[in-house]
Amino acid sequence: GAVVSQHPSWVICKSGTSVKIECRSLDFQATTMFWYRQFPKQSLMLMATSNEGSKATYEQGVEKDKFLINHASLTLSTLTVTSAHPEDSSFYICSATNSQETQYFGPGTRLLVL
Amino acid sequence: LAKTTQPISMDSYEGQEVNITCSHNNIATNDYITWYQQFPSQGPRFIIQGYKTKVTNEVASLFIPADRKSSTLSLPRVSLSDTAVYYCLVGDAGTGGFKTIFGAGTRLFVKA
Repeated sequence: GAVVSQHPSWVICKSGTSVKIECRSLDFQATTMFWYRQFPKQSLMLMATSNEGSKATYEQGVEKDKFLINHASLTLSTLTVTSAHPEDSSFYICSATNSQETQYFGPGTRLLVL
Repeated sequence: LAKTTQPISMDSYEGQEVNITCSHNNIATNDYITWYQQFPSQGPRFIIQGYKTKVTNEVASLFIPADRKSSTLSLPRVSLSDTAVYYCLVGDAGTGGFKTIFGAGTRLFVKA
């Protein structure tokens, strides 16, 4: 099946620093990638939709200047959490699709901001 | 976007068949129905997808009635390792890509 990877799998940073998370589709070209955030015991919340070569579309309430998304190629999307604060601590998950029906998810990145 | 409704939680015993039903009354013509499984601190894992009638693969079956307003994921002979959260998603397969919104999911707990 389709494989999506994320790097790093976990990161701890100081408040005020920026953190970049990479999402790669390893065996297919992803026309669209999605970024989600998940807090403990809750469902996944869609943050933004990213199409290769164009600006990401952010969901209502998600600050685009704080969560920078770049989708430079058909196999790579990055999410940068700028000036991270403790409330940004969460589990960040990306997904990728090469069709219009099925998303394949990465393993997630655990972010802890101290 | 079609909203989905699932039971919050279910309990079962090893070896039993588990059926989880999802309601999606506002499903659109182009929407596919996809089920995912998620373990703690992992990304969701694709289980099965369908459009109508019945779909079966090596791990599950998906039953979709003719009106497509609901769907049922069937897990045969569950084991302890099937304890997880199961999400039903309805995706818009229209032009320009699609996005899906996760509902609360169903927390399945399999007991010995």
